[in-house]
Amino acid sequence: GENVEQHPSTLSVQEGDSAVIKCTYSDSASNYFPWYKQELGKRPQLIIDIRSNVGEKKDQRIAVTLNKTAKHFSLHITETQPEDSAVYFCAAYMDTGRRALTFGSGTRLQVQP
Amino acid sequence: GAGVSQTPSNKVTEKGKYVELRCDPISGHTALYWYRQSLGQGPEFLIYFQGTGAADDSGLPNDRFFAVRPEGSVSTLKIQRTERGDSAVYLCASSLDAGELFFGEGSRLTVL
Repeated sequence: GENVEQHPSTLSVQEGDSAVIKCTYSDSASNYFPWYKQELGKRPQLIIDIRSNVGEKKDQRIAVTLNKTAKHFSLHITETQPEDSAVYFCAAYMDTGRRALTFGSGTRLQVQP
Repeated sequence: GAGVSQTPSNKVTEKGKYVELRCDPISGHTALYWYRQSLGQGPEFLIYFQGTGAADDSGLPNDRFFAVRPEGSVSTLKIQRTERGDSAVYLCASSLDAGELFFGEGSRLTVL
């Protein structure tokens, strides 16, 4: 089945700096890659996603890039703010076989004011 | 409802007891998922329903775990003979189609 690896496990940046989180996936049939933000004790919430027919997607301060050949995708957050502090999860999905998201192990982002 | 609703939000039980966790998905969402999240880990897939049927239950760890969705809406995750290792947050999510999952707040299960 699909395996998703996520790095780093923790990331500390200064307010205003950029943050990058990277994920790799194993199954080339995966075609949908969402990123979820989870604040302490809260539900995971979708912040951005990308499908396999595009290489990059941007929404204000966040962007996601996808390299299908290398089977990796990344989350980029620019001009970080203290409220960006949370755990971020990447995930991969394919619409054949197990039609469910496989999640990475998460990155705890701490933005220092 | 406006979002995915899960009850109870917290459940403390003793080893060996039976537990039921309930999920009420977003109205009209045909796909429903159960995930388990341990501290410091990503959500781990348990089971996926499309309508009333379990389309994929390969993530259930053993036969003590079972889930139903009899009318294609509300789902119940059932855990028999609970063990301390079952302690985790059990997340339910629903989806209208392939792709974005909407999660509930989760049910935190503690087995003493």
